Amino acid sequence: GENVEQHPSTLSVQEGDSAVIKCTYSDSASNYFPWYKQELGKGPQLIIDIRSNVGEKKDQRIAVTLNKTAKHFSLHITETQPEDSAVYFCAATRSSYKLIFGSGTRLLVRP
Amino acid sequence: EAQVTQNPRYLITVTGKKLTVTCSQNMNHEYMSWYRQDPGLGLRQIYYSMNVEVTDKGDVPEGYKVSRKEKRNFPLILESPSPNQTSLYFCASGGYQETQYFGPGTRLLVL
Repeated sequence: GENVEQHPSTLSVQEGDSAVIKCTYSDSASNYFPWYKQELGKGPQLIIDIRSNVGEKKDQRIAVTLNKTAKHFSLHITETQPEDSAVYFCAATRSSYKLIFGSGTRLLVRP
Repeated sequence: EAQVTQNPRYLITVTGKKLTVTCSQNMNHEYMSWYRQDPGLGLRQIYYSMNVEVTDKGDVPEGYKVSRKEKRNFPLILESPSPNQTSLYFCASGGYQETQYFGPGTRLLVL
């Protein structure tokens, strides 16, 4: 079955710098890759997703890239702000009904 | 307001005492799912349902039951809870390869 590895587990950046979180997946048939942000005391919330027929997707300060050959995808946050501090999860699936999540990255943006 | 609600939000119980965590969504979603979140392990799927009366096991179904008698409700049942089921539980709903909306979470402690 699918396995998703996420790195780093913690990331500390200065406000205004960029942050990059990387995930690798094992199932070459996976075709949907969402990213979720979880703030303290809340449930995860989708921030961006990408499908396997697209190599990159951008939404304001957030972008995701997908390399199907290497089976990895990354989340890029530019011009980080303190409110970006949260836990971020990547996920992968071929069916959408069975999302497999990475172990999470705790991002801290220092003012 | 579109949302997924869970009750209770916090629960302390003892080993073997049956409990039910309710989940309800008001977005007319066909798909609903339960996850547990443990430190360092990310979110792991317990059960999911693609429609009324259609349920299937996720990655960690042992010790749990679910039912889907109505489209909006998807309760999680622990017939005989054990300490290793102490965790943070999330219910989610959504569509095929679309945004999954997560509830606020239920923190369970089994003594």
